[in-house]
Amino acid sequence: AQKVTQAQTEISVVEKEDVTLDCVYETRDTTYYLFWYKQPPSGELVFLIRRNSFDEQNEISGRYSWNFQKSTSSFNFTITASQVVDSAVYFCALSPNSGAGSYQLTFGKGTKLSVIP
Amino acid sequence: DTAVSQTPKYLVTQMGNDKSIKCEQNLGHDTMYWYKQDSKKFLKIMFSYNNKELIINETVPNRFSPKSPDKAHLNLHINSLELGDSAVYFCASSQGTGGFQPQHFGDGTRLSIL
Repeated sequence: AQKVTQAQTEISVVEKEDVTLDCVYETRDTTYYLFWYKQPPSGELVFLIRRNSFDEQNEISGRYSWNFQKSTSSFNFTITASQVVDSAVYFCALSPNSGAGSYQLTFGKGTKLSVIP
Repeated sequence: DTAVSQTPKYLVTQMGNDKSIKCEQNLGHDTMYWYKQDSKKFLKIMFSYNNKELIINETVPNRFSPKSPDKAHLNLHINSLELGDSAVYFCASSQGTGGFQPQHFGDGTRLSIL
């Protein structure tokens, strides 16, 4: 069985502050993929990043960065210099690399980020 | 040229009715999915199809019946709607398994049962 835990239900920050969204996962699979999706107030789900369990290198994309640590089963997401447009619900998700379970994403419960101007 | 499109976007209906939600993707993907997002924003897989073949059927009531006429379409028919069916339903697609390639989601269909 797989599980994704996003312990932070809601976070509020003031614009330009940095914020980190935590994601901890559980899986028995040796190879798997991790994802982050953004759901803005308009409701659509926007893909942000996919990370293979083989690749523990951190990734940076503009103001976004991701820290994958296999030793602690964590895949945290940091937004630097937050902006109001970053206000959304952010979901972390997990999928095994093979088997029937690979035909689905297991999502965390999401973290609602509010960036206050 | 929307990649994954769902219709309708909003669906308001009475308890006991039967309704369908349509989903089409123009990405050439071979795998399609239905997810349900409840009032607390929790997203859970309902069904997944690969090349029109049912792969995943999570513990979903028999009142929900997916139909995949071809690889580009995955429709969801719901019989005898109940209050608890009120939710946002998302269709998604990917090439191959959901892990190897990211899933691309439609904008969702908000179903409200009166």
